[in-house]
Amino acid sequence: GENVEQHPSTLSVQEGDSAVIKCTYSDSASNYFPWYKQELGKRPQLIIDIRSNVGEKKDQRIAVTLNKTAKHFSLHITETQPEDSAVYFCAVRMDSNYQLIWGAGTKLIIKP
Amino acid sequence: ETGVTQTPRHLVMGMTNKKSLKCEQHLGHNAMYWYKQSAKKPLELMFVYNFKEQTENNSVPSRFSPECPNSSHLFLHLHTLQPEDSALYLCASSQGADSTDTQYFGPGTRLTVL
Repeated sequence: GENVEQHPSTLSVQEGDSAVIKCTYSDSASNYFPWYKQELGKRPQLIIDIRSNVGEKKDQRIAVTLNKTAKHFSLHITETQPEDSAVYFCAVRMDSNYQLIWGAGTKLIIKP
Repeated sequence: ETGVTQTPRHLVMGMTNKKSLKCEQHLGHNAMYWYKQSAKKPLELMFVYNFKEQTENNSVPSRFSPECPNSSHLFLHLHTLQPEDSALYLCASSQGADSTDTQYFGPGTRLTVL
């Protein structure tokens, strides 16, 4: 079955710097890759997603890049702000049963 | 409250108790999900319902029993749980059961099994 690995588990960056979180997957047939953000004590919320026919997608300060050959995709956050502090989860849609397989999460800490 | 709501928000129960978690979505969606979230682990999908019919059961122990009376309501009945079942239980909904549909999560129920 699909295996999703997410790194790093914790990331601490200075406010204003960039943050990059990477996920790797095993099933080359996977074709949908969302990222969710979960602030402390709150529910996960979709922040950006990408499909396999696109290599990059941007939405203001966040972007996702996909390398299908290498089977990895990354979340990029530029000009980080305190409100970016949260746990970020990647997920991969399985082609076999259309369900999402989730990464273990990355705790992003923005230092003032 | 709009979106996806869950009750109770916190629950403490003994191993011999029977309790139920409730989820309600006000988004007009057709698919609903139960997830288990444990610290530093991936979200674990437990059950999926699409148009009230269960479409996925990811090898969940029978001490967890879901019920979906209609597309807006989802329950998780709990009995004879174990301490390792302590976790945050999240409900989610989406327009359809295709996972490319955005999933909207509830606030979760923090469950502690003593």
